Amino acid sequence: KNQVEQSPQSLIILEGKNCTLQCNYTVSPFSNLRWYKQDTGRGPVSLTIMTFSENTKSNGRYTATLDADTKQSSLHITASQLSDSASYICVVRGGGADGLTFGKGTHLIIQP
Amino acid sequence: NAGVTQTPKFQVLKTGQSMTLQCAQDMNHNSMYWYRQDPGMGLRLIYYSASEGTTDKGEVPNGYNVSRLNKREFSLRLESAAPSQTSVYFCASIGSEGVQETQYFGPGTRLLVL
Repeated sequence: KNQVEQSPQSLIILEGKNCTLQCNYTVSPFSNLRWYKQDTGRGPVSLTIMTFSENTKSNGRYTATLDADTKQSSLHITASQLSDSASYICVVRGGGADGLTFGKGTHLIIQP
Repeated sequence: NAGVTQTPKFQVLKTGQSMTLQCAQDMNHNSMYWYRQDPGMGLRLIYYSASEGTTDKGEVPNGYNVSRLNKREFSLRLESAAPSQTSVYFCASIGSEGVQETQYFGPGTRLLVL
């Protein structure tokens, strides 16, 4: 069964600190992996998309990594800001009715 | 470009009432999607349309119908609303930008069924 598991479910860190969110998947065949940021009350917004051949991709203070051998991805946030408070969703293309399998997300809270 | 737009933003229905959620995109995308998002469940696919004139069931299609009116518009209909359909509904479209494809989401419709 195609699955995307994210951890932790929720995380609270102080402003200015770094953090890493995890995504493990069992989707096959694999096409690409995306990370989305969803602010409260809004739709998800794409942060990064990585294909099989890409190990790392950055978008400002967000850096995503992909290990296709172990089927793991991480999203690292550097020097967190209050505006980083959001849910972060990992999505893998390659499974599901439409080819997209969603994780349940990690809820991140940045405290001043 | 307005991106993906959804109407209405909020709606309260009584059990048994019907309504249609509207979605439109102005990015000339072929693929469009309807998801529902419930606490602790993540986004779940209701229906999708790979191209104009085609629609397919997703993970949770029961109680819903869709219409791909044209390339821009993809509507979701609840024929007889139930309290279990209380949720936030997101429409999305996917387009290719070079070698990458990006999925764009609308702002969501918050539906409460009493």
